[in-house]
Amino acid sequence: GAGVSQSPSNKVTEKGKDVELRCDPISGHTALYWYRQRLGQGLEFLIYFQGNSAPDKSGLPSDRFSAERTGESVSTLTIQRTQQEDSAVYLCASRHTGGGGTEAFFGQGTRLTVV
Amino acid sequence: AQKVTQAQTEISVVEKEDVTLDCVYETRDTTYYLFWYKQPPSGELVFLIRRNSFDEQNEISGRYSWNFQKSTSSFNFTITASQVVDSAVYFCALRRDGNQFYFGTGTSLTVIP
Repeated sequence: GAGVSQSPSNKVTEKGKDVELRCDPISGHTALYWYRQRLGQGLEFLIYFQGNSAPDKSGLPSDRFSAERTGESVSTLTIQRTQQEDSAVYLCASRHTGGGGTEAFFGQGTRLTVV
Repeated sequence: AQKVTQAQTEISVVEKEDVTLDCVYETRDTTYYLFWYKQPPSGELVFLIRRNSFDEQNEISGRYSWNFQKSTSSFNFTITASQVVDSAVYFCALRRDGNQFYFGTGTSLTVIP
């Protein structure tokens, strides 16, 4: 596609429910990132996928968070038993890895509100 | 460890003034990449510029210019003749080869008409 696409744009869920957030990266981009941005805050790294390598999960805040990526395409971020502190915008980005120094392109984000 | 510091949390300028956004980074790697992103009120991050660690040439793009100095580990961003549309949060970021992006905490710029 033309850009990174995330769905849904907005999600309101009840505390304790599970949610799945989806990211469609730019075609051909082998690297994919998930970041979290709380209101008025910076970007908090969650997880990074690079081709067929094992993902870097070092940023996942708890075992309630997990992410998968199918080959070099779609990724889903799952949050189980959501808590109010999970409320944030979840940003996905993808990057073409040819040349090493390429920039990442971000989606518009999924705004998650846990009530 | 990698770290990016944007000491300026908020800046307000009057339209047509010049403004410089500071970015200081830390890394032990010799190969790394620096970036600036803009986040307007709409929320989507927009890529502005990339710099490789081995290329210290400064760059100018219209009203935007970037000053990369390895000696001071700084990658500062200047907007000349600021406009209201420049109002946004600006993030500086660092990336090592094969790794995540490390973002600063952002500088919120308000341009007053």
